[in-house]
Amino acid sequence: DQQVKQNSPSLSVQEGRISILNCDYTNSMFDYFLWYKKYPAEGPTFLISISSIKDKNEDGRFTVFLNKSAKHLSLHIVPSQPGDSAVYFCAARGGNEKLTFGTGTRLTIIP
Amino acid sequence: NAGVTQTPKFQVLKTGQSMTLQCAQDMNHNSMYWYRQDPGMGLRLIYYSASEGTTDKGEVPNGYNVSRLNKREFSLRLESAAPSQTSVYFCASSLTLAGGTYEQFFGPGTRLTVL
Repeated sequence: DQQVKQNSPSLSVQEGRISILNCDYTNSMFDYFLWYKKYPAEGPTFLISISSIKDKNEDGRFTVFLNKSAKHLSLHIVPSQPGDSAVYFCAARGGNEKLTFGTGTRLTIIP
Repeated sequence: NAGVTQTPKFQVLKTGQSMTLQCAQDMNHNSMYWYRQDPGMGLRLIYYSASEGTTDKGEVPNGYNVSRLNKREFSLRLESAAPSQTSVYFCASSLTLAGGTYEQFFGPGTRLTVL
């Protein structure tokens, strides 16, 4: 039973446009959500996070939106740059500070 | 400040061999984790440790043991490796800041192949 889902395995976006990555979850007890970026042969690196008591968090080009009623979060990257090409994972925190990860979305920015 | 370090970076084992993956963090975090990443599966939690001296099973603990040697170090042991354990293994550590912000940081990974 996958509690965190990223239904789009891949996404291609033109450089300069907005990239929108989506994530759905089923467990209403999740209280914190994070987005990670991963390049090949490297560990995931933290991008941005949001508490369940908020609906938006912004950091430079990255904005995360949380819709609790729909159990949905999204990551917006604007403008998209070639260096943003990577695999993006969303993760949700449950009890004991454990994270549950989605399966990832491969983002390709087209120059 | 090296963050989270893992050794080795690569390892090839034969079925039945044993090995220990090492992890250390220099951020004074209480919680540490071991994950495995398989194609199309995301990261799955193997074991975690909320503090020195405590460990708990995650989603996929079978075939693994862990040891939280001290606050800095958390090792993962494969007693009798199986081809199903071929994967990339990531160690992580985390803390919750005053105000509730939560951060979890990852090491560079160990790519393990079991023949």
